[in-house]
This record gives sequence, C-alpha cells and structure tokens, in this order.
Amino acid sequence: GQQVQQSPSSLVLQEGENAELQCNFSSTATQLQWFYQSPGGSLVSLLSNPSGTKHTGRLTSTTVTKERRSSLHISSSQTTDSGTYLCAIDTGYQNFYFGKGTSLTVIP
Amino acid sequence: GGIITQTPKFLIGQEGQKLTLKCQQNFNHDTMYWYRQDSGKGLRLIYYSITENDLQKGDLSEGYDASREKKSSFSLTVTSAQKNEMAVFLCASSIDRNSGNTLYFGEGSRLIVV
Repeated sequence: GQQVQQSPSSLVLQEGENAELQCNFSSTATQLQWFYQSPGGSLVSLLSNPSGTKHTGRLTSTTVTKERRSSLHISSSQTTDSGTYLCAIDTGYQNFYFGKGTSLTVIP
Repeated sequence: GGIITQTPKFLIGQEGQKLTLKCQQNFNHDTMYWYRQDSGKGLRLIYYSITENDLQKGDLSEGYDASREKKSSFSLTVTSAQKNEMAVFLCASSIDRNSGNTLYFGEGSRLIVV
C-alpha cells in the first residue's frame, strides 16, 4: 500500500498568505525529509525532521512520530515558493518512500 | 559541500535498446539510490546500494540493472528501453547522521525513447 500520503495535492495562494502542507505515513519512520522541486528541476532538501519541530527561515516543520504525520508551514509565501513540495520517509532500511507531492502556486 | 553529477542530462534511445545512466558523488556517502519520477506518480525506487558492490532492489527494479563498482559511482542500465519508460531518473546519495539518514539528489536525467 501507499506509504506516504500528502495533502492537499495542489494549493493556490496569494502572495503573503501562509501555506500548510500535510504528510501522513503508514510505517514507522526513522527519518522524515521535506523537499522542494521547481518545475523541471531537481529535488532540494528543505528540512530533515523525524520528530518535533524545526525552523529554517520561513519554514516550520512539525512531526508527530506517534501519530505518523508531519506538516510543513510556509509563512508569508512568495511567488518564488511556487513548485512541488515532497515528503519522504526512511522506514529504517535506508529505503526512502516518497509522497506524490503538493503543487503550490503563489500568485502576485 | 559536495555534488552529485548525473550523465547524460538527456538520453535518447530506440525502443529495445540497452541504455546506461551514470551517477557520481563526491560527498563520500555510503548509500546511493536510483529513483524514477513519472508525472503524477511521484518518485519510485529502482535500486539502491549501501556500499561498494552492494545492490538492493527497489519496488521498480524489473527491466533495470545497476552497478556500484566503486563508492563514488552508481550506474543504472535500462535493459530494453520501452516508450512507456520515458521519465526522469534521479540519482541520490545519503549519509547516516545522528538525526537519521539525509538524502541528496542530482539534477536528473531525462530518458526519451523513440
């Protein structure tokens, strides 16, 4: 079955609004990583957050390991934040499973 | 910092042809991966390798071979290219930190089958 589910599948925001992206997973995760992918681009690691809350810049990730869920909050969105956000988990066998991503569009 | 280099960036081949993608990393990471990305399907693992000469099959290994002859390089071969295999192939490597494995990606290689 699907190991990682992300929601929403797409999101459209006005510049300056906040975004909340969700990641739910069906297996125990020893690692959880959030990635950004620009259209036609490769994956850039944003945050590694297997548990608790982590901040970097305008990004905040909160992972509740027992409930098998993680969120990525983007504050004060900018047009350059547009792209796809992917969540991936490592189940402990160095084998990462990815969600299908959330496509974010920020309009000016 | 380090870098993961994938070659070629675009690989054009004919149906039925054997095609090889190459990946080099200078992070000195132990584990390397090949993922396939299809539109609407996310990333799916083809093969990974936890050390030199090791190979582990992912969910999508059928129709592919891989080779890890040295720590810094990991190659992927499409044994008989099919038109439904046109996708982006992403190489990655990972390091095991105290906080867990962290994955780093190359720029990707796009396979086009004519």
